[in-house]
Amino acid sequence: QQQVRQSPQSLTVWEGETAILNCSYEDSTFNYFPWYQQFPGEGPALLISISSVSDKKEDGRFTIFFNKREKKLSLHITDSQPGDSATYFCAAHTGGADRLTFGKGTQLIIQP
Amino acid sequence: NAGVIQTPRHKVTGKGQEATLWCEPISGHSAVFWYRQTIVQGLEFLTYFRNQAPIDDSGMPKERFSAQMPNQSHSTLKIQSTQPQDSAVYLCASSLLGTSAETLYFGSGTRLTVL
Repeated sequence: QQQVRQSPQSLTVWEGETAILNCSYEDSTFNYFPWYQQFPGEGPALLISISSVSDKKEDGRFTIFFNKREKKLSLHITDSQPGDSATYFCAAHTGGADRLTFGKGTQLIIQP
Repeated sequence: NAGVIQTPRHKVTGKGQEATLWCEPISGHSAVFWYRQTIVQGLEFLTYFRNQAPIDDSGMPKERFSAQMPNQSHSTLKIQSTQPQDSAVYLCASSLLGTSAETLYFGSGTRLTVL
């Protein structure tokens, strides 16, 4: 059972455009949602995170929008750069069982 | 700070052989997590330790997988009688305060290939 779903699986945008990556979840006890960025040959690295008490979190060109009622999040990357090309994982945490559940990722390609 | 160190980077084993993977967490971090990454399944939680004590091993395949943390500077994941379906990238992560509701610092992983 996939508790955290990401779409699209792959996304290509032009340099300078806004990339939108989507994430949805099923478990209403999830309360912390980090996004991890992974480059080939490396481990994932935390990019930005949000808690369920907020509906928006911004960090430079990266913004998370969170809709608790619909159990959906999205990561917006504005002014996309070729260096943003990577796989992005949405994850969810619940305090009940201290673990992160990851989505299967979105592979983002930024075309110069 | 060298980050989380995983060795070896690549390991090739024959079917039925044993594989031991090593992880050195960031000094001073309280928790170590093990994940397995494949194209099909994505990132799967295996197990984790807090202050060297096993906390949750619910993601570990019970029969052939085991993990230990004999001291605060390293953890091992051992796979006995490896099978082709064990082929994956095994990732180790550590966190400062001992939970996964904070930044996890991942190593670069060990790519295990079982022939």
